Amino acid sequence: AQSVTQLGSHVSVSEGALVLLRCNYSSSVPPYLFWYVQYPNQGLQLLLKYTSAATLVKGINGFEAEFKKSETSFHLTKPSAHMSDAAEYFCAVSVNYGGSQGNLIFGKGTKLSVKP
Amino acid sequence: KAGVTQTPRYLIKTRGQQVTLSCSPISGHRSVSWYQQTPGQGLQFLFEYFSETQRNKGNFPGRFSGRQFSNSRSEMNVSTLELGDSALYLCASRRGANTEAFFGQGTRLTVV
Repeated sequence: AQSVTQLGSHVSVSEGALVLLRCNYSSSVPPYLFWYVQYPNQGLQLLLKYTSAATLVKGINGFEAEFKKSETSFHLTKPSAHMSDAAEYFCAVSVNYGGSQGNLIFGKGTKLSVKP
Repeated sequence: KAGVTQTPRYLIKTRGQQVTLSCSPISGHRSVSWYQQTPGQGLQFLFEYFSETQRNKGNFPGRFSGRQFSNSRSEMNVSTLELGDSALYLCASRRGANTEAFFGQGTRLTVV
């Protein structure tokens, strides 16, 4: 079975500091991995996705993530935090249906706070 | 290009009632999935429809049901509402099997 674990339910950084949100996955087949962001009272917005092409994936708003098979990790980073990055971030893996993507399995989420 | 549209945005129902939520996917998208988001359980998969057929179903009781119409619009229904059904219900659409999911803004259901 596939699963996702996000380390740290809350992360606080200062504006301009590095953002690092951790995600580890479990999958017996090559995974499709995603990071989504959710602002208060909103739906989920896709930040980036990994679908077995490049291991370093660049997304929107300056975020990127690196797929590390040996560590079963897909951590999300941003070099310099901005106040507008304060939100909840979800890592997700897509259930594999014979090589095609199925529904998403989400981690518990990490709330990012950005201090001025 | 319009995004995924969910209606209504907010809903208050009484325990024991039933409710129907609606989701209009992005034009051209044939897959619609539903998720329930609660503070305690996080984001949990309810079901997915593809070309009017239920493709997969999560671990929810039979009170939760859904359907998809020929224009890809989808509805989900919850019967005999319980207090624990209070949640944000999110709909996501995809163009096909190996494409990313785009989410609507959700319907906030409160059961009193």
